[in-house]
Amino acid sequence: QSALTQAPSASGAPGHRVTISCSGTNSNIGSNYVYWYQQLPGTAPKLLLYRNDQRPSGVPGRFSGSKSGTSASLAISGLRSEDEADYYCAGWDDSLRNWVFGGGTKLTVL
Amino acid sequence: QLQLQESGPALVKPLETLALTCAVSGGSISSSDSYWGWVRQPPGRGLEWIATVYYDGRTSYNPSLRSRATISVDTTTDHFSLRMRSMTAADTAVYFCGRMTTETFFDYWGQGRLVTVSS
Repeated sequence: QSALTQAPSASGAPGHRVTISCSGTNSNIGSNYVYWYQQLPGTAPKLLLYRNDQRPSGVPGRFSGSKSGTSASLAISGLRSEDEADYYCAGWDDSLRNWVFGGGTKLTVL
Repeated sequence: QLQLQESGPALVKPLETLALTCAVSGGSISSSDSYWGWVRQPPGRGLEWIATVYYDGRTSYNPSLRSRATISVDTTTDHFSLRMRSMTAADTAVYFCGRMTTETFFDYWGQGRLVTVSS
């Protein structure tokens, strides 16, 4: 069981907006930054967002992040077929003294 | 452009020790803002952080793996390594090496190395 909880799947039509949620506790999301990764099949994860809502250079503005309390969200607007991937949230957990990941959300572009 | 490349065995027997190495190029492993680490992913499953090391040898481990894992760094060759003892089938996974910084969790990743534990 992951310390961070994500829905196993999400979907959206091309051009539409989809939101992927990550739920945690006061010891992780509630008191530390959240990071988001995109993983295409057979490849290494790619950092999409760091420190809740910051995009590394090269990541399109279609990807945005937010955090409120013990939950965080990744929003993808203008969905494209190439966005079909697994998305993971991650962060530090003060109680577990451990970096933790969500279980991942598989995004399908309809 | 920073690049990382894992190397090591693809097959390990049960109860043996896994030894993986990550070669860092395009940047210095001794960079003061960088930490180096390992994450693994069992087939079809999620990601799990294993350990992180700083260039001066300071380490941090996943508490559930601390007793079996050892991470180390070699600043003379720009490599860092992971050893994991008493491997079992549950340790079968793709092992990724990567870089963290003072700003972010893993931002650069190796391509991954599938390690299968089987007799």
